[in-house]
Amino acid sequence: NAGVMQNPRHLVRRRGQEARLRCSPVKGHSHVYWYRQLPEEGLKFMVYLQKENIIDESGMPKERFSAEFPKEGPSILRIQQVVRGDSAAYFCASSPQTSGGSYEQYFGPGTRLTVT
Amino acid sequence: AQKITQTQPGMFVQEKEAVTLDCTYDTSDQSYGLFWYKQPSSGEMIFLIYQGSYDEQNATEGRYSLNFQKARKSANLVISASQLGDSAMYFCAMREDPGSNYKLTFGKGTLLTVNP
Repeated sequence: NAGVMQNPRHLVRRRGQEARLRCSPVKGHSHVYWYRQLPEEGLKFMVYLQKENIIDESGMPKERFSAEFPKEGPSILRIQQVVRGDSAAYFCASSPQTSGGSYEQYFGPGTRLTVT
Repeated sequence: AQKITQTQPGMFVQEKEAVTLDCTYDTSDQSYGLFWYKQPSSGEMIFLIYQGSYDEQNATEGRYSLNFQKARKSANLVISASQLGDSAMYFCAMREDPGSNYKLTFGKGTLLTVNP
C-alpha cells in the first residue's frame, strides 16, 4: 500500500548546481502535480503532468525549471543552476484518472532543498 | 486578489475544547471543491476533509467538520475535542474545475497550538 514517494527527502546543493527531485505516484495514478512551499508560506502550484504530457506549467518559473513524467519511471522536477531563492520544500501529489468528485490529491512527504 | 484567505496566522485552544479555523475563498466558477490539509512539524501534508460546491450538507470526518457558507464564500474548519496531536499548521485549499485541471490553490495557513 505504497503512497506517493519522493526522494531524496533532503537535498543540499551549492549555488549553480543542478537539483533533481523524483516523485513516484500512487500505483495506478496517472496525474502528477508539483507544488513548492517557501518558508512560512502555503503551497504554490508549479506544474501538472500526465504520462508523457505537461498539461499546465503556469506556476513554474520560465527559466531553469523543467518537469517530466515519462511513460516509465518517476516524475522528475529539475532545477538547473540553483540559487538561494530556490530553497524550499517541494511536494509532489498524485491523483487517479477519474475526474471530479471528492477525490483528493495524495501528497508525498516532500523534498527539502537547501541551496548554500 | 487572494483566492484563499486564512486570516488567523496563529490560534490557541485548550485541550478538549473546540476550535474554528477560518477560510474564505474567491472564485467565479460554479463548480469547485474545498479541502483542508494538516501539516505537522514533520512536514507531510495530511488530507482532512473535502466539501464540494454542490454538496448541500456540511462535510464531516470524525472530529473534523466543515462549516460551508456558500453565499459568504467561507469554508471554516471546526475541530471538536482538541487533542495535543492536533497542534500543526492547517491549510485551506480550493480546486476550481476548469476542464480537467485539478490543481489546488492554498491559503497561507493557520498554526494551531493545543495547550494541555
